[in-house]
This record gives sequence, structure tokens and C-alpha cells, in this order.
Amino acid sequence: ETGVTQTPRHLVMGMTNKKSLKCEQHLGHNAMYWYKQSAKKPLELMFVYNFKEQTENNSVPSRFSPECPNSSHLFLHLHTLQPEDSALYLCASSQGSGTTGNTIYFGEGSWLTVV
Amino acid sequence: GENVEQHPSTLSVQEGDSAVIKCTYSDSASNYFPWYKQELGKRPQLIIDIRSNVGEKKDQRIAVTLNKTAKHFSLHITETQPEDSAVYFCAASKNQGGKLIFGQGTELSVKP
Repeated sequence: ETGVTQTPRHLVMGMTNKKSLKCEQHLGHNAMYWYKQSAKKPLELMFVYNFKEQTENNSVPSRFSPECPNSSHLFLHLHTLQPEDSALYLCASSQGSGTTGNTIYFGEGSWLTVV
Repeated sequence: GENVEQHPSTLSVQEGDSAVIKCTYSDSASNYFPWYKQELGKRPQLIIDIRSNVGEKKDQRIAVTLNKTAKHFSLHITETQPEDSAVYFCAASKNQGGKLIFGQGTELSVKP
């Protein structure tokens, strides 16, 4: 299943590093999302993009900077992260806002460890 | 905004028994309720969903019920098997928002 692909799958970075997570969807969807999944916690919505426009920022710290150049690609730029930011970052896509039954499809996730 | 509460957080059953996971939501405008299964180290995957115009939906051993008045919905798994062991998430959304708000997850363990 390669509908939503994420790279890298694993990333270890220092607190002063700058790195980026990449997501690509091949489903023809118009909405893309970043979710954070920490141990023993629910899936936390971070950002929502519809037709390349950011429609939601769920009070995410500015050290996380999303970029959506087109409806198929989504990036999450990371800089000066903290150890508590270590988590699984899941990208997802869906048909788009306003669609009945907005089924979301997830990528495999990027495991991030901040040291 | 929408808030989704899920219970229990862990559930252990014997193979062949039934398992029930319950969720409540806060926003009466929510009209789409999917359930996701996440196996260890893998992505969450949709297993069943229900829209607000129906009260129950079944797919083989899995069923979901919705009570709009009480704002709660439940996942029922019958004749559980060890491969059903995973974390299950409920979620809710509205058409206009598109985004899904997830419950806290239930770790289901099916003992052979």
C-alpha cells in the first residue's frame, strides 16, 4: 500500500539541528494533515491543509514549520526541537474539506528522536 | 472545539469472546465517525465508519452503533481472534472541517 508515503521513516536529531519530514500522497486528495503520536497519548492534530492552504494550526510551537507546495506534497520543517518532541509523526490525506465522510488515510509515519 | 472521549484504555479478552469499546463526543454537529486499528509499529488503518444518518453498521465480525441523542458510539468485535490485538481509535468529524479528532485509544489484547 503506497497511497501516502513518508520519509524518512526514522530520524535522530540534536536539539540544534534543522531537518525536514516529507510526505507525498498518490490518491488525488486535496487535504493533507500532520498528526503527532506520543507514547500513551492520542493522535494529536497539528496542521491541516486544504488545496495547499493552511486551514488549521492546532497551537503548534513555531519550531515546527509546515510547508505544502501542492496538494500532493507536505513537509514538516524541524528546528531547535526539544526531547519531548520525540514521537511518531504521521502524515495523512483525505478527499478534502466539505466532503461527506472524510476518510483519512495515513502514511507509515516518521519516528523522530530528539537527543 | 470537538472533544472525543474513549473507554476503556485497555481491554483484555479471551479468544472467542466479544469486545466493546465506547466513545463519546461533544460537538452535536459531528456527523462522521470512523474507527481505526493500529497494530504495533504500523499506521492507523480504517476498519469501519458510520455516518450520522444511520444507527448501526456491520462488517463481518465488526459492528458500530451510534446514538446521536446521547452523542456516543461504540465498536463491537465478536468472536475475537489474536490478530485483533491492536490499539483501536475512534474519531469524529464534521463535513466542513474535514479534520478528524481522535479518542485516546484502546489497547485490545486477545489471549489465545
